[in-house]
Amino acid sequence: NAGVTQTPKFQVLKTGQSMTLQCAQDMNHNSMYWYRQDPGMGLRLIYYSASEGTTDKGEVPNGYNVSRLNKREFSLRLESAAPSQTSVYFCASTKGGRGGNQPQHFGDGTRLSIL
Amino acid sequence: AQTVTQSQPEMSVQEAETVTLSCTYDTSESDYYLFWYKQPPSRQMILVIRQEAYKQQNATENRFSVNFQKAAKSFSLKISDSQLGDAAMYFCAYRSVFNGNKLVFGAGTILRVKS
Repeated sequence: NAGVTQTPKFQVLKTGQSMTLQCAQDMNHNSMYWYRQDPGMGLRLIYYSASEGTTDKGEVPNGYNVSRLNKREFSLRLESAAPSQTSVYFCASTKGGRGGNQPQHFGDGTRLSIL
Repeated sequence: AQTVTQSQPEMSVQEAETVTLSCTYDTSESDYYLFWYKQPPSRQMILVIRQEAYKQQNATENRFSVNFQKAAKSFSLKISDSQLGDAAMYFCAYRSVFNGNKLVFGAGTILRVKS
């Protein structure tokens, strides 16, 4: 099983450029998440989608937009990239709902550098 | 809002010895889940162990066990018989049963294993 697939794995952008990070999961999960990881700060939630058709802001949403395209796919868009958005980005998914202790499953991350 | 604190930026352990990684959290909720994730240099996020707050019994997974102290809001990870493959960044994470099952991460602890 592929699990959570992120594309691309690496990207270099110039300040002001835009791009979309893609994420897809094949586990029939309801909830999907975008995190960024910066040195010394762990992972911080950017946006999440608790179920298809809904999206909500996380801890650090400024400068980003998201689209839950369907149940499988959740994309993250940088409209005008800034050097402060240089980071490693992770997509994750989980079954969702209140029942159980299902963990989040993570993609392999995208290393994004903004020059 | 919940917070997770990992007070040890870096730890070292001799191969075959035991090491304990600390984690404390702050919450006003009574029902929640706690997780430890491992991130090796490959950047993958790998679930190590999970704990439900309503369970008094500490979770164990082979060489990995936790010491969950709900009243003290403490959730430490013990690694027994440490192996070279245990070297990684370890993240403690909190998940509420509400609000979309979002994860709140600590800043991480780098574990080095000496041969």
